[in-house]
Amino acid sequence: EVVLTQSPATLSLSPGERVTLSCRASQSVSSYLAWYQQKPGQAPRLLIYDASNRATGIPARFSGSGSGTDFTLTISSLEPEDFAVYYCQQHSNWPPLTFGGGTKVEIK
Amino acid sequence: QVQLVESGGGVAQPGGSLRLSCAASGFTFNNHGIHWVRQAPGKGLEWVAVISYDASLKYFAESVKGRFTISRDNSKNTLWLQMNWLGVEDTAVYYCARDMGISWTRGYFDYWGQGTLVTVSS
Repeated sequence: EVVLTQSPATLSLSPGERVTLSCRASQSVSSYLAWYQQKPGQAPRLLIYDASNRATGIPARFSGSGSGTDFTLTISSLEPEDFAVYYCQQHSNWPPLTFGGGTKVEIK
Repeated sequence: QVQLVESGGGVAQPGGSLRLSCAASGFTFNNHGIHWVRQAPGKGLEWVAVISYDASLKYFAESVKGRFTISRDNSKNTLWLQMNWLGVEDTAVYYCARDMGISWTRGYFDYWGQGTLVTVSS
């Protein structure tokens, strides 16, 4: 099973700041990594798939990069609606599909 | 627009059973695999199961294998998750989620339902 480790667990930031979230895999997942955003009381929303492809309707301020075992989600300038929990998920070696533990981006 | 609507959640006793449903609309249902993903209260996301677009492939997480089954009826745009031998560790919000692949299962989720809460308690 591929274990995904996200860091940090929590980030305290202000609107307008640049955000970099990390996801590390226990073994190579090539580029088969997705990122999701989840707000309280809502279902997750797909942001990025195949490491760097934005999903339909996702603003350009969200970008993904990386391959192999190290991946990054970047938000170029935080908007108020971006405060949420972000999860990475691998779809390389499955089943099982696995998620990281999440990074919470909170308002400073 | 794509919609997935779960139902069937509720309270079950340990050792009991529940059957969740997921009704789909707004897309060609028989082109997509569908997954179940759950989230225990205050915790992260856990993949539970998948059924391929034509029901020929079914995979389960180890934590539910042998207790949960998954099925679909493409004529009704509906799928089900039958959960047997429930334990307190199965308490979670259960989401159905569409696989992004068309006629093959890619393993990530482009649309999600709103979730249904399953509580296992005596």
